[in-house]
Amino acid sequence: DGGITQSPKYLFRKEGQNVTLSCEQNLNHDAMYWYRQDPGQGLRLIYYSQIVNDFQKGDIAEGYSVSREKKESFPLTVTSAQKNPTAFYLCASQGRHLGGYTFGSGTRLTVV
Amino acid sequence: GQQLNQSPQSMFIQEGEDVSMNCTSSSIFNTWLWYKQEPGEGPVLLIALYKAGELTSNGRLTAQFGITRKDSFLNISASIPSDVGIYFCAGQGAGGTSYGKLTFGQGTILTVHP
Repeated sequence: DGGITQSPKYLFRKEGQNVTLSCEQNLNHDAMYWYRQDPGQGLRLIYYSQIVNDFQKGDIAEGYSVSREKKESFPLTVTSAQKNPTAFYLCASQGRHLGGYTFGSGTRLTVV
Repeated sequence: GQQLNQSPQSMFIQEGEDVSMNCTSSSIFNTWLWYKQEPGEGPVLLIALYKAGELTSNGRLTAQFGITRKDSFLNISASIPSDVGIYFCAGQGAGGTSYGKLTFGQGTILTVHP
């Protein structure tokens, strides 16, 4: 079955460390997105990519980096420059014919 | 970035009651979507609306695309405990640099008491 997979489900990071969150989709979707969600809050766009080897900053890109070397994959790195990284991170993809996003099940990142 | 005005922010209701929530925007959208997010999971698409004035049902859920293309509402009839979650509206832009990208509302947190 086609879908979008985020891993790991839970991630713990020490202060000062970089961590990378994985997002893989086998839906043959062109566009992929990363969102951050804080408790009881809405979705804030971090980065998005509408085509391989190209990506754009969203509303809260500082302290994050991404790559899009393959259509199927859009990893997000949370760098040490992100001062408050504890949050729920959601990845989504969108097909060529637009319409809604398909979301992954999320990664909960906690700084310890 | 632009966000939709979604209301109410939260609702506490008794099982069996009907629920209504809505979204408004200063911009026109070509598509309106409604998502539900359960705790610890990603949002799941409930209903997609593609035409102004369209009224669509999915079981106990009914949603409408406003005729001005700047608003949408979602109704849930006869709520049950498993309706608990966060409901998000989303609009898809008419073109330009926002083409394809969704704009989300802040979400409505729904709590249903048995």
